[in-house]
Amino acid sequence: GEDVEQSLFLSVREGDSSVINCTYTDSSSTYLYWYKQEPGAGLQLLTYIFSNMDMKQDQRLTVLLNKKDKHLSLRIADTQTGDSAIYFCAESPLFSGGYNKLIFGAGTRLAVHP
Amino acid sequence: GAGVSQSPSNKVTEKGKDVELRCDPISGHTALYWYRQRLGQGLEFLIYFQGNSAPDKSGLPSDRFSAERTGESVSTLTIQRTQQEDSAVYLCASSLTSGSDEQFFGPGTRLTVL
Repeated sequence: GEDVEQSLFLSVREGDSSVINCTYTDSSSTYLYWYKQEPGAGLQLLTYIFSNMDMKQDQRLTVLLNKKDKHLSLRIADTQTGDSAIYFCAESPLFSGGYNKLIFGAGTRLAVHP
Repeated sequence: GAGVSQSPSNKVTEKGKDVELRCDPISGHTALYWYRQRLGQGLEFLIYFQGNSAPDKSGLPSDRFSAERTGESVSTLTIQRTQQEDSAVYLCASSLTSGSDEQFFGPGTRLTVL
């Protein structure tokens, strides 16, 4: 079945690193995504990783993928108050037809405090 | 250029009424997706359009839900005889093609059924 799970809430101090975790179930997923949702706004793609990679770094963001355990994490270095948002993990299983149907987790609400 | 736009941004309706939600994708994007986000939950896939046809309607919750797309542009999601459980944010996304291209999300329509 298709299921993406995330912890619902994370609180960090400004300047610390944040690590948001996600587990997924479909081993056929070719891409795994992290989206950010700020209040009243649509989802913004933060980063993605191809399933044959273990790690991807993009400025303050580091994505780690453990394909064996179907575990994905997003690390935000030097977390700022502007990083406060809901972060969604999503997988893109292979379907016949080859289109990009995204399966989302419930989202992790990141709260950054001084 | 302009992003994905949706209208209305908020809709309050009475149980049993019909509602229409509109999505204007990014110009030139052939793929269009509708998702539903219930309070505190992740996004649920509803329907996917490639051009004006809908190869995958598997996510539509019931026959009260329908969607169409005309001119490979605007899409309308219609919910007939609304129920309280239809209350959610309805998000639209478009991508250049139906493959692995990034999906760009609109801000959503918040539907409240009283």
